[in-house]
Amino acid sequence: DVQLVQSGPEVKKPGESLRISCQVFGYRFSSFWITWVRQMPGKGLEWVGSADPDDSYSNYSPSFQGHVTMSADKSISTAYLQWSSLKASDTAMYYCARRTSSGWNDAFDIWGQGTMVSVSS
Amino acid sequence: DIQMTQSPSSLSTSVGDSVTITCRASQSIITYLNWYQQKPGKAPKLLIYAASSLQSGVPSRFGGSASGTDFTLTISTLQPEDVATYYCQQSYRTPVTFGGGSKVEIK
Repeated sequence: DVQLVQSGPEVKKPGESLRISCQVFGYRFSSFWITWVRQMPGKGLEWVGSADPDDSYSNYSPSFQGHVTMSADKSISTAYLQWSSLKASDTAMYYCARRTSSGWNDAFDIWGQGTMVSVSS
Repeated sequence: DIQMTQSPSSLSTSVGDSVTITCRASQSIITYLNWYQQKPGKAPKLLIYAASSLQSGVPSRFGGSASGTDFTLTISTLQPEDVATYYCQQSYRTPVTFGGGSKVEIK
């Protein structure tokens, strides 16, 4: 069964660091890019960025560039999203998803269950 | 950035009715357009990719079409389990962008 399993909810204070994870099961980790999507409470979906687990090449949304870092550990089929200094405005659900391609069209076909990040003083 | 404008933002209709949701791109995106369904408290699910291709396992009452920069998601016969928010997403150019969502409820 193809699955993306994310780490559990996090409660942090502004300024703290955080790394959340997304572990892949059921397919070869290096074969598909991993995408991260943010959903703030009661709001829509926002693309954070996508990364190639094979060589760590990545694309970031300008809205998130410089504030988050995507990485991966191929040995344990796990992708990460990390912050060095959280803000209250980072409070959101974060989803990882597998990126699949049909011709030049990229879609996100398998999603993790989401990791809720709460940042408050 | 390419803006994706969805309409309506919400609708309420009866079981068995046909539902149409529209997504307009701010520029040409060819057919690099995908549709997702998000049920309350759940992760999004891919329904339609490349504007009109049905993702494996998705019921055939869901369909997608394209005309220029306008894209349509149709639910031919609404079922109670279709209560959800639906999002379009373009992959023509980064940053990837999503529409604002269309919430479908049952009357």
